[in-house]
Amino acid sequence: GQQVMQIPQYQHVQEGEDFTTYCNSSTTLSNIQWYKQRPGGHPVFLIQLVKSGEVKKQKRLTFQFGEAKKNSSLHITATQTTDVGTYFCAGSSINAGGTSYGKLTFGQGTILTVHP
Amino acid sequence: DAGVIQSPRHEVTEMGQEVTLRCKPISGHDYLFWYRQTMMRGLELLIYFNNNVPIDDSGMPEDRFSAKMPNASFSTLKIQPSEPRDSAVYFCASSPIVAGPNYEQYFGPGTRLTVT
Repeated sequence: GQQVMQIPQYQHVQEGEDFTTYCNSSTTLSNIQWYKQRPGGHPVFLIQLVKSGEVKKQKRLTFQFGEAKKNSSLHITATQTTDVGTYFCAGSSINAGGTSYGKLTFGQGTILTVHP
Repeated sequence: DAGVIQSPRHEVTEMGQEVTLRCKPISGHDYLFWYRQTMMRGLELLIYFNNNVPIDDSGMPEDRFSAKMPNASFSTLKIQPSEPRDSAVYFCASSPIVAGPNYEQYFGPGTRLTVT
């Protein structure tokens, strides 16, 4: 079945440093989504990428979708303590049909700690 | 809108007991998802419904787990009998669509289940 791998599993940074998490899928994706989960909270949708090579920005966050639509990354510039949490990528396989249509497979997540 | 509502927020039960988790999706959302989150296995999709009909239950661990959606505003996930390895946070999520540029899933606050 489809697998989505995320690295690193943990990242500790000093406030002001940059942060990047990477996501790789075993299959070509039709779309990839990113979610953030604060400690003790629930996943909250950040963004969706659907086009090959797509780049989207949200303030200090930059999201990329690979040309082959099998990988993605999230980069945070100048981290702040409010960025603390777990960042998940989740993708739908381009070959998904029938009961798999629209199903998201989540990566294991990257836990970000920001030291003030 | 109140968002996705889940109850109870916390449940502690003894092994062998029946557990019922409840979810009210966002009004107008045709898709409802049940996820389980553990440190070891991450965020796993258990089952999802479209217009109250179960579409894919391939993630349901075993026969001890069952899910129903009797109407558009209510779903249950039942575990009978419960076992300590069922301890996890169970999230319900809903979405109006599962494709296209506006696809995102809205997660509830989760139910933290502890089976002793």
